[in-house]
Amino acid sequence: DGGITQSPKYLFRKEGQNVTLSCEQNLNHDAMYWYRQDPGQGLRLIYYSQIVNDFQKGDIAEGYSVSREKKESFPLTVTSAQKNPTAFYLCASRSGQADNSPLHFGNGTRLTVT
Amino acid sequence: GQNIDQPTEMTATEGAIVQINCTYQTSGFNGLFWYQQHAGEAPTFLSYNVLDGLEEKGRFSSFLSRSKGYSYLLLKELQMKDSASYLCAVLDSNYQLIWGAGTKLIIKP
Repeated sequence: DGGITQSPKYLFRKEGQNVTLSCEQNLNHDAMYWYRQDPGQGLRLIYYSQIVNDFQKGDIAEGYSVSREKKESFPLTVTSAQKNPTAFYLCASRSGQADNSPLHFGNGTRLTVT
Repeated sequence: GQNIDQPTEMTATEGAIVQINCTYQTSGFNGLFWYQQHAGEAPTFLSYNVLDGLEEKGRFSSFLSRSKGYSYLLLKELQMKDSASYLCAVLDSNYQLIWGAGTKLIIKP
């Protein structure tokens, strides 16, 4: 079955450490996204990528970095510069950026930084 | 600025009907999505509306009025498994999704 896999489901890190969240899709989708979800707030876009080797900042990109070396993979690094990294992170994809196809989501990674 | 408003929380009884409203103000409009999200899980796609009117899909229906910047999700014959958050999202003129904060629906027996 096609889908999006995020790993790990839970991640714990000490403050000051960088951490990378994995996202893999086998849906053959061109567009991939990273969102952050905090209680009482809507999903906020961190980064998105429309095609391999290209990505764009979203609304809250500061303190995060991404790469898109393969169509299937879009890892997110949470750097020590991110002031409040503890959150639920969701990766998503859809067939294209400039269309109305629905997003498909991974199961999320809950990151806790202490 | 762009804004999506939904009630924070609603409570309904098993077997009943509930309507979850969503109002929006966005830069352009290319459609409105509803997603369901159980606690700690991924959002799953429920419906997409781009034309005015009602779209029915089993127990769930979604309505859109573009002139009023308004949509609702109607859930019939509520089941306990419908307890979840319901997210409204609008696709703006740049095909970016603008998300509401979600409505937590509590179903009581």
